[in-house]
Amino acid sequence: EAGVAQSPRYKIIEKRQSVAFWCNPISGHATLYWYQQILGQGPKLLIQFQNNGVVDDSQLPKDRFSAERLKGVDSTLKIQPAKLEDSAVYLCASSLDLAGTLTGELFFGEGSRLTVL
Amino acid sequence: QKEVEQNSGPLSVPEGAIASLNCTYSDRGSQSFFWYRQYSGKSPELIMFIYSNGDKEDGRFTAQLNKASQYVSLLIRDSQPSDSATYLCALGGGADGLTFGKGTHLIIQP
Repeated sequence: EAGVAQSPRYKIIEKRQSVAFWCNPISGHATLYWYQQILGQGPKLLIQFQNNGVVDDSQLPKDRFSAERLKGVDSTLKIQPAKLEDSAVYLCASSLDLAGTLTGELFFGEGSRLTVL
Repeated sequence: QKEVEQNSGPLSVPEGAIASLNCTYSDRGSQSFFWYRQYSGKSPELIMFIYSNGDKEDGRFTAQLNKASQYVSLLIRDSQPSDSATYLCALGGGADGLTFGKGTHLIIQP
């Protein structure tokens, strides 16, 4: 079974530029999560989708971050304009359904490492 | 907002000894508690979950939960160098994903 796919793996941009990250979850997984992990910290949930609907985006900085999951499968996370403090690894995860938060069965991708100069 | 506190370490343990990792949390309504392991440069992977007060054992790993004290721990017996990693404590059970702590960096010394 293929895992969660993310791209690009690495991205270096200058502040005020824009960047987009792509995620393809495990086939059949209805719930998709984007987490931000700053060096030395634990992952922080940015947004959670159930199919193509948003379940929680309370910690998403909406003035610069946006995310979509139009067909309930792939998802894109965009940052525009980027700030220095956005330097982090952006982890995409998926679970079969919302019960993933009960079982902890979140499957993470390898992450996209962003460096903002 | 839910908070999960962990000592960032590093925690250094001799090979073959027991490693003890601790976590406290703020939300009394949390239902599920998880331990994830994260190797440097890699993504987190689930080790264990626990829902009920008491101990839960899985091979060399034992998770302990005390809801009254809002305390979760992970014991690793017969520690191996391959256990060297960052261990993330996480809470779940709500509709808002998992809430992770900062993680404890564990070093197993050969």
